[in-house]
Amino acid sequence: LAKTTQPISMDSYEGQEVNITCSHNNIATNDYITWYQQFPSQGPRFIIQGYKTKVTNEVASLFIPADRKSSTLSLPRVSLSDTAVYYCLVGPMGNRDDKIIFGKGTRLHILP
Amino acid sequence: EPEVTQTPSHQVTQMGQEVILRCVPISNHLYFYWYRQILGQKVEFLVSFYNNEISEKSEIFDDQFSVERPDGSNFTLKIRSTKLEDSAMYFCATRKGGNTGELFFGEGSRLTVL
Repeated sequence: LAKTTQPISMDSYEGQEVNITCSHNNIATNDYITWYQQFPSQGPRFIIQGYKTKVTNEVASLFIPADRKSSTLSLPRVSLSDTAVYYCLVGPMGNRDDKIIFGKGTRLHILP
Repeated sequence: EPEVTQTPSHQVTQMGQEVILRCVPISNHLYFYWYRQILGQKVEFLVSFYNNEISEKSEIFDDQFSVERPDGSNFTLKIRSTKLEDSAMYFCATRKGGNTGELFFGEGSRLTVL
């Protein structure tokens, strides 16, 4: 499994766009990049997944450069309720991997 | 939206006692997982389960732990003789399989070992 590195914590203000970058230098050809969000005392929740270029859904965007050695989760116009831990995971998708490992994540704190 | 349900939400037990945590997966999901999270720490993988057998397990998942799906619906995690350090939130997660890697997590079972 590719090792990931992300900032331990970030602060931002309500209404701002927040970008969290994850480094994954040894990403493999068949690896996908997945982001989860976790609120205190709750299970992680899937946010977005991508393989290359850009993916957007109703919650976030995921930017992946051509070399795929990093990715950036972009949260538009954050609110206080976006305060959570965000995890970047890299690994094969579907049936090929059953050991889905979470790193330490980025603790995002949104200020009023 | 379908969800993973876990029981109990909170269990307090004495050291050395057996504990069983239960999970009802989403009905068409084929892959099942247990994770634990000690307070303030990261989410740790324990075990994955597919086709009625363990696929992968971590070094945490020693002989004190076992999983089964006894009746085709509930997916259980048993801790045979609890230790103080087993106190944590235990999360069940399920995955549909095929071309999707998205994990769906339950709300967790908080285990407190005294």
